[in-house]
Amino acid sequence: QVQLVQSGPEVKKPGSSVTVSCKASGDILTGYTINWVRQAPGQGLEWMGRIIPVFGTTDYAQKFQGRVTFSADASTSTVSMRLSSLRSEDTAIYFCARGPYPTSVVRYDFWGQGTLVTVSS
Amino acid sequence: DIQMTQSPSSLSASVGDRVTITCRASENIANSLNWYLQKPGKAPKLLIFGASSLQSGVPSRFTGSGSGTDFTLTINSLQPEDFATYYCQQTFSTPRTFGQGTKVDIK
Repeated sequence: QVQLVQSGPEVKKPGSSVTVSCKASGDILTGYTINWVRQAPGQGLEWMGRIIPVFGTTDYAQKFQGRVTFSADASTSTVSMRLSSLRSEDTAIYFCARGPYPTSVVRYDFWGQGTLVTVSS
Repeated sequence: DIQMTQSPSSLSASVGDRVTITCRASENIANSLNWYLQKPGKAPKLLIFGASSLQSGVPSRFTGSGSGTDFTLTINSLQPEDFATYYCQQTFSTPRTFGQGTKVDIK
């Protein structure tokens, strides 16, 4: 059974950075993308970008360009998302989600449990 | 960015009802449209991909249709476990934008 297990909740100060990890059970990073989606309290879903772990290729939403970095460690089947220059509006649950690659039908079929990041002074 | 607009934003329904949710894209996205269900405190769950393909393990009472700019998710015979928030997502281009969500609650 595929599982994506994310790291625990974080509380951060404005201006600092946070790293959220997403560990995949088994070698599921080959042939897949890992996408990051966030959800502010009581709000909808927002796509942040994706990484193709086998190549290390990244694609960031313009909104997060320059503040976000995705990385992958094949030896531990772990993908990480680092968000810097945090502000209160970054308070959200951050999800990782797997999608097949390559594919003509993009979809996210397995999701991590989510990681709450709270930005507060 | 492609804007996705869902309607209604919320609806009340009873077990056994047929429910229809619509999603409109701001430009032609062919059939690059997914539907997800999300329950409070949980991750989204994929229901439909490619506008009309049912994800493995999802009950057949969920059907998706549409192409171009207008899409529909239909739930036939609503079940207690279907009360949740539903999101559409376009995958035609990046950023892969979502609709604002449709909350389905119990009448």
